[in-house]
Amino acid sequence: AQTVTQSQPEMSVQEAETVTLSCTYDTSESDYYLFWYKQPPSRQMILVIRQEAYKQQNATENRFSVNFQKAAKSFSLKISDSQLGDAAMYFCAYRSLYKSSGAGSYQLTFGKGTKLSVIP
Amino acid sequence: DTAVSQTPKYLVTQMGNDKSIKCEQNLGHDTMYWYKQDSKKFLKIMFSYNNKELIINETVPNRFSPKSPDKAHLNLHINSLELGDSAVYFCASSQESGGPLFYEQYFGPGTRLTVT
Repeated sequence: AQTVTQSQPEMSVQEAETVTLSCTYDTSESDYYLFWYKQPPSRQMILVIRQEAYKQQNATENRFSVNFQKAAKSFSLKISDSQLGDAAMYFCAYRSLYKSSGAGSYQLTFGKGTKLSVIP
Repeated sequence: DTAVSQTPKYLVTQMGNDKSIKCEQNLGHDTMYWYKQDSKKFLKIMFSYNNKELIINETVPNRFSPKSPDKAHLNLHINSLELGDSAVYFCASSQESGGPLFYEQYFGPGTRLTVT
């Protein structure tokens, strides 16, 4: 079974600065997807960014980018020019590319989250 | 347009009661899920439902049962509610076969269940 670890329960960043959230995972699979989801106080889960494991190029979405190190099984999220609206819980998530046999499914396996505060 | 909707958003009930949470997606997705988020914000899969195939997380008590009247709906029924069932429950959907796939899941707004 896959596991996802976010070692930083809480982080803070000054507005307009850059912050990096860490995520590591454990898997024996070679093909998979990784995601970062954001959960603001409204509790809506919002997809921030996606990375396919077979792609060497790191994904970017505007101010959000990842540092994907497949060999190290590391998937960190960098937020540049932090804004007050970035304050939220951030969850790293893993999903297999292929449905496993037997009891497998397509579910996401989440880390425990990092609470990001943005200081004005 | 709301992609994945859940009703109700808040549910307060007493121990021992039976309740349901409804979920609907208008994205045309073929797979739907239920996740539970506990008081420590940890999200864990409960069920996934794809093409009439139900995959159950083995840790989910059999008091919980998903019911899918059609492809766009996956409702969650909970019998004999317990204090430990208090949590936020999220419905999600994704497209897992046919066409360009990104495997991302779209989440509903969540239902906060409080059992007293």
